[in-house]
Amino acid sequence: DTAVSQTPKYLVTQMGNDKSIKCEQNLGHDTMYWYKQDSKKFLKIMFSYNNKELIINETVPNRFSPKSPDKAHLNLHINSLELGDSAVYFCASSPNANSGTPGRTQYFGPGTRLTVL
Amino acid sequence: GNSVTQMEGPVTLSEEAFLTINCTYTATGYPSLFWYVQYPGEGLQLLLKATKADDKGSNKGFEATYRKETTSFHLEKGSVQVSDSAVYFCVIGNEKLTFGTGTRLTIIP
Repeated sequence: DTAVSQTPKYLVTQMGNDKSIKCEQNLGHDTMYWYKQDSKKFLKIMFSYNNKELIINETVPNRFSPKSPDKAHLNLHINSLELGDSAVYFCASSPNANSGTPGRTQYFGPGTRLTVL
Repeated sequence: GNSVTQMEGPVTLSEEAFLTINCTYTATGYPSLFWYVQYPGEGLQLLLKATKADDKGSNKGFEATYRKETTSFHLEKGSVQVSDSAVYFCVIGNEKLTFGTGTRLTIIP
């Protein structure tokens, strides 16, 4: 009965490869997010989708491409991996971003630790 | 844009000590304020939140009050336990969250 799940939990790969991380939520939420947490634990939003529509797209290299096949899934594909992409990537979800309700809680997945060699 | 400044860590306390982790922010508009906690090897989870001035969020013995006049949201707990050891993030925003740098807290028996 996991609320927000991510696969894989660990991903070790060579520079230049292409990889994907999958995220699924079973909370019935409309909005999903991807965050990057660096080695100093600093968290920064990358993308947000609301009902499969991109609503937040921070300054992220275009090697990163999110895909939302339906509102319960938000996958992250990374092309031509670089050393600096090594980090922990967190998926999160929350109720409808367009509802205007303040203080909506975001529910985070367990994270995917990506190591680029 | 929004920014969050929180107390640098790491913080080490003895069990049953009083805890304060300071957090101040700058924001455009009227953000909601949150404390999220990350236990070792896990994702983040909401600890408490406040959505308007003078609101107090509380959970698991932790408290924080939304102080608009001082733009602060300090986290306090009267008596910490070993199980409170984690990284604590002060967070502000509504649609888009801005995170503080996190404060690593270690409680020793």
